[in-house]
Amino acid sequence: DVKVTQSSRYLVKRTGEKVFLECVQDMDHENMFWYRQDPGLGLRLIYFSYDVKMKEKGDIPEGYSVSREKKERFSLILESASTNQTSMYLCASRKGTAGSYEQYFGPGTRLTVT
Amino acid sequence: GNSVTQMEGPVTLSEEAFLTINCTYTATGYPSLFWYVQYPGEGLQLLLKATKADDKGSNKGFEATYRKETTSFHLEKGSVQVSDSAVYFCALTLNTNAGKSTFGDGTTLTVKP
Repeated sequence: DVKVTQSSRYLVKRTGEKVFLECVQDMDHENMFWYRQDPGLGLRLIYFSYDVKMKEKGDIPEGYSVSREKKERFSLILESASTNQTSMYLCASRKGTAGSYEQYFGPGTRLTVT
Repeated sequence: GNSVTQMEGPVTLSEEAFLTINCTYTATGYPSLFWYVQYPGEGLQLLLKATKADDKGSNKGFEATYRKETTSFHLEKGSVQVSDSAVYFCALTLNTNAGKSTFGDGTTLTVKP
């Protein structure tokens, strides 16, 4: 069965801390994504990676960076957490080949920055 | 650019009622279309998809038909259950490698016994 896991379901951090959110997929997918989900704003793409060591900015990359050193792992980094980064963070992966553009999502990490 | 507009919620129905959630899209290219469902406290999961015009996606009693002429992909179910209560997202992805997805804002469905 397809599986995307995220390192934490709930996380509380202080303003200014560096925060790492980890995502691992076991499906040998090429493409991986980080979204944030906020009430009334839907899903917004932060970054995506279509292969190892490759990354592309999404719609709201400011204040975030990413790392993809291995195919199965895609990390989201908040360089200096701020209260406006309190949100639900969703990781997703997909195969990225023709006809296979559906995404598989992890359970989400609810991050609170105080 | 690409966009997805879906019916605003919340939608409240009685068990066994008929469900329609409208979804229309604009796309610069030729997209695949998806419906995802999010149950409370979980991530999104694929409900159904259609990759070309006139395709019908179906799963768990839900259906949606890719209508190129009206740029629509409306979700329907003939008889909803309490367990269908969730948030439903319509989405499109352009059919190119590394094509980003565009999601609608989500429609919350509550089904009452």
